[in-house]
Amino acid sequence: ETGVTQTPRHLVMGMTNKKSLKCEQHLGHNAMYWYKQSAKKPLELMFVYNFKEQTENNSVPSRFSPECPNSSHLFLHLHTLQPEDSALYLCASSQTGTSVSEQFFGPGTRLTVL
Amino acid sequence: AQKITQTQPGMFVQEKEAVTLDCTYDTSDQSYGLFWYKQPSSGEMIFLIYQGSYDEQNATEGRYSLNFQKARKSANLVISASQLGDSAMYFCAMREGQRGGADGLTFGKGTHLIIQP
Repeated sequence: ETGVTQTPRHLVMGMTNKKSLKCEQHLGHNAMYWYKQSAKKPLELMFVYNFKEQTENNSVPSRFSPECPNSSHLFLHLHTLQPEDSALYLCASSQTGTSVSEQFFGPGTRLTVL
Repeated sequence: AQKITQTQPGMFVQEKEAVTLDCTYDTSDQSYGLFWYKQPSSGEMIFLIYQGSYDEQNATEGRYSLNFQKARKSANLVISASQLGDSAMYFCAMREGQRGGADGLTFGKGTHLIIQP
């Protein structure tokens, strides 16, 4: 595997379900990010982790719970979601301390909440 | 107020022509970075080019160049000799704060570029 991978690629869940999204980066980066992309809205930053520590929570509802066990893995645990949470969830990683520190994105998980 | 403004929701361009995608930004930070990403229909965001606020020269990467006008707070993407494979959504994004930090990006709404044969 190379780059940033995300599983599953598609997920359909009911409002009472609990599910998790997984992200793995194979780039040796130390920072990881979750973004939400809803239809007709800009990408919204959700969470930032740097060396496994959460450094930013962009006022995300508690029904979204992130977990970063190490610098290569990032999870987003979902519970009691609403239909308006249906979106493309993108994970990204970057290496801090470099001149550009561009973020590399995974292919995303397309989430549908019924 | 929006921090990143992309005023062109959609553009049609003839193949082999050059195209300019507009982006203006708003920040009070002295140190910031501007990024352009391409998102094909497959959904993955692909990094294209970066411009730092202290960079004096406009960034270039192959057929991509960034027309950075700091006083006007604009960072337009120029694609030379467009190709059919350039058809995609294009997003301008900004990172505020120190260069090389772990800061999230603020994105614009994007421009849907369609290259016509």
